[in-house]
Amino acid sequence: ETGVTQSPTHLIKTRGQQVTLRCSSQSGHNTVSWYQQALGQGPQFIFQYYREEENGRGNFPPRFSGLQFPNYSSELNVNALELDDSALYLCASSLEDSFSYEQYFGPGTRLTVT
Amino acid sequence: SQKIEQNSEALNIQEGKTATLTCNYTNYSPAYLQWYRQDPGRGPVFLLLIRENEKEKRKERLKVTFDTTLKQSLFHITASQPADSATYLCGGSGTYKYIFGTGTRLKVLA
Repeated sequence: ETGVTQSPTHLIKTRGQQVTLRCSSQSGHNTVSWYQQALGQGPQFIFQYYREEENGRGNFPPRFSGLQFPNYSSELNVNALELDDSALYLCASSLEDSFSYEQYFGPGTRLTVT
Repeated sequence: SQKIEQNSEALNIQEGKTATLTCNYTNYSPAYLQWYRQDPGRGPVFLLLIRENEKEKRKERLKVTFDTTLKQSLFHITASQPADSATYLCGGSGTYKYIFGTGTRLKVLA
């Protein structure tokens, strides 16, 4: 059984740029959620994708967008990067979309915006 | 707004003792609560899930309770070991979203 993987591991971008982060879900999981975790804080829910459709969204502006592909892998895109976007971005997969299943997290992508 | 709160102060306990971590939720009633362990620089690891109609759940040295009257979940680690030192996150199902607390850092002293 393959776990959740994310790429890249680390990324440095300049304010105003755009970034794409990638996630492969655990085999057999059709649901992917994305989180932003600032230092010393808990994960903040960005959105969830279930069968290629956005299924729920937290309090993040539209410049945070995503995609899910037929193989259930996913991308998180952030446009017009701001300094406050610097954080650990976590992807988690789960068996279904009801927000009641346990989630399996990837190792995260550390994004630094300068 | 829907919120989950955990004690942000670190908890230090002696090896062999029981660690008890608290999770309180406000302005909503989650149908499920989940507990995760997170080590520095790593993604959270799922530990236990408890439903609102379950009072208690156990797994090896771990126990979690769900009190809908107090709007609280307690997470216990019995016979704690230095290897249990980590940040423990409480998360709940919200309305079309997940909500996590800030986590409580546990340090087990040898």
